[in-house]
Amino acid sequence: GAVVSQHPSWVICKSGTSVKIECRSLDFQATTMFWYRQFPKQSLMLMATSNEGSKATYEQGVEKDKFLINHASLTLSTLTVTSAHPEDSSFYICSARDPSGGPPDTQYFGPGTRLTVL
Amino acid sequence: GESVGLHLPTLSVQEGDNSIINCAYSNSASDYFIWYKQESGKGPQFIIDIRSNMDKRQGQRVTVLLNKTVKHLSLQIAATQPGDSAVYFCAENGGGADGLTFGKGTHLIIQP
Repeated sequence: GAVVSQHPSWVICKSGTSVKIECRSLDFQATTMFWYRQFPKQSLMLMATSNEGSKATYEQGVEKDKFLINHASLTLSTLTVTSAHPEDSSFYICSARDPSGGPPDTQYFGPGTRLTVL
Repeated sequence: GESVGLHLPTLSVQEGDNSIINCAYSNSASDYFIWYKQESGKGPQFIIDIRSNMDKRQGQRVTVLLNKTVKHLSLQIAATQPGDSAVYFCAENGGGADGLTFGKGTHLIIQP
C-alpha cells in the first residue's frame, strides 16, 4: 500500500529558530500533499495544500510567510516553521494523494512530527 | 464556516461489546467520508470510507452508516477489543479532492 514518511519524528528547538519537516511518499508519486496541524487533545486542522511545481495554497488564518512549503519533487514536500515560538508547538502531519490508484480524494497520512519550541 | 463534529468526546465500552461512534457533518457538498483511528503520538490510520451514493458499507468488524437526510455518519465496531482503544475521527472531503475537514474526535476506551 501507499506509504508516507515524515522526518524528523520529533524535534525540539529554541524560540526564534527555524525548523524544517520533510514529508515523503515512498512508493508513489504525489502531485498533491497536504499539511495538517494537531494541538493536544484536538482534531487535525488543514494548514495548506502543497502542489508539485507550484505555490502552496494556505487555509484562512495560516501565515504563509511563517509556514513555508516547498514541493520540489513528486515525492517530497517540506514544511519550514520560521522564527518558531512556543505557540507553534504542535503535532504536524502530512498526507499525500496517489493519483495513479484509487479514488482521487484518497489521502495517505504520514506518522506525524512532534515539534516542541522552548 | 461549516464543520464536522462529533457528539461524544469519550466513549467507554466493555471488551467484547459493540461500539458506535457518531458524527454530524454540515457541509452538504461533501460526497466522501472517512473514518480514521489515531493512537497516541501517531498519524491517522484509515479505517473505512463511504461515498454519498451509499448508505452503508462494511469492512472487517467495522460498519459505516451514512444518513444524508440528517447529515449523520456513524462507525460501528463489532466485538470491541483492547487494541481498538484510540481516538476516532470522521472526515469529509467538502465535495472536492482538496484537504479533508476532520471532526473533533471520540476517545474510545475499552473496559476489561
